Amino acid sequence: DAMVIQNPRYQVTQFGKPVTLSCSQTLNHNVMYWYQQKSSQAPKLLFHYYDKDFNNEADTPDNFQSRRPNTSFCFLDIRSPGLGDAAMYLCATSRDKGQHNEQFFGPGTRLTVL
Amino acid sequence: AQKITQTQPGMFVQEKEAVTLDCTYDTSDQSYGLFWYKQPSSGEMIFLIYQGSYDEQNATEGRYSLNFQKARKSANLVISASQLGDSAMYFCAMREAYNNNDMRFGAGTRLTVKP
Repeated sequence: DAMVIQNPRYQVTQFGKPVTLSCSQTLNHNVMYWYQQKSSQAPKLLFHYYDKDFNNEADTPDNFQSRRPNTSFCFLDIRSPGLGDAAMYLCATSRDKGQHNEQFFGPGTRLTVL
Repeated sequence: AQKITQTQPGMFVQEKEAVTLDCTYDTSDQSYGLFWYKQPSSGEMIFLIYQGSYDEQNATEGRYSLNFQKARKSANLVISASQLGDSAMYFCAMREAYNNNDMRFGAGTRLTVKP
């Protein structure tokens, strides 16, 4: 089945130790998104790629970076995780950016920072 | 500015009864899409239903229907015949035709279905 896959499902890192979260998709969608979601809150958009074009949200900290080496894969790099970065990180895709395009989400990676 | 408002942090419903989850939105665009997602405790966001701003009929998908009142800018989700597996967080979201097309989510409503 076509899907959005995130690895790992659970990630534990130490304060200040770089970490990379992975997302892949078999849907061949043009757009890939990264969201941060803290407990009992709405997902917060960090950035997205429309094909190879990178779009950063204005309030996304510089500590967060992303790479999309090809259509299928997108990575979230957290250069120096702080305790406040502990959250669920959701990857999503959509076929295009029109208002009728739903987003398909992966299962998420829950990040713990010790 | 808050674009999507869900005023019910938590809702309870008896199994087999219907429940309405409220959602209001704010936009100056004429063309936009409204979405509802379900998020169980496992964390995955599951797409439930979509309503386009120009759709004249309310969207329905199985036990889910969307009560779309454009003049009031509301897009309430109705779940009929609630099941225990419906217990989850529910998010209303909107994508505008312009304004970068980003999907904006409401704060969510936690639904608990009681046996």
